[in-house]
Amino acid sequence: DAGITQSPRHKVTETGTPVTLRCHQTENHRYMYWYRQDPGHGLRLIHYSYGVKDTDKGEVSDGYSVSRSKTEDFLLTLESATSSQTSVYFCAISPGNTIYFGEGSWLTVV
Amino acid sequence: GQNIDQPTEMTATEGAIVQINCTYQTSGFNGLFWYQQHAGEAPTFLSYNVLDGLEEKGRFSSFLSRSKGYSYLLLKELQMKDSASYLCAADTGNQFYFGTGTSLTVIP
Repeated sequence: DAGITQSPRHKVTETGTPVTLRCHQTENHRYMYWYRQDPGHGLRLIHYSYGVKDTDKGEVSDGYSVSRSKTEDFLLTLESATSSQTSVYFCAISPGNTIYFGEGSWLTVV
Repeated sequence: GQNIDQPTEMTATEGAIVQINCTYQTSGFNGLFWYQQHAGEAPTFLSYNVLDGLEEKGRFSSFLSRSKGYSYLLLKELQMKDSASYLCAADTGNQFYFGTGTSLTVIP
């Protein structure tokens, strides 16, 4: 158990509404990541953080923002959800030579 | 750009051996991960290769050739529960780039 929890686990929302996904870790690791996983694309990095208030973009960051005000929490926000953001979102931490994933958040934008 | 390639699907028989290949081209490279992912679940860590050669861990082994940009995951004595997607990922430093995954089906 890597001590990562994601919330909500499942959400259905309407196009144009804001959505925030939360990732919480109990291990005090510096690096945290948000990925999305889609058929035919695999896991793609959205944003990552290397410390409190230190974040950077990944390969599919458009339409997403993140915040990290505490070591243990990394928030992913969709400012105005679109149907193309329907996906499974995984948070991850990296304590060294491995990556541990949270259980995933299934988001459907209708 | 970063490019990670692996076969989309493979089928193998229970009790047999299967090799899943992964080739990579990345700007920067520290090591190569393999993950297993069952449908509807999160990926779980299998191995991380930094040096060239074969690393064995029970029924699973992973090989890396840095000069060829090539890795493989070897699964021995296949069991039905090994039916899953297998993801390779390149560690380029502070980011990890994943392949699209190989869906392995184990048949009786």
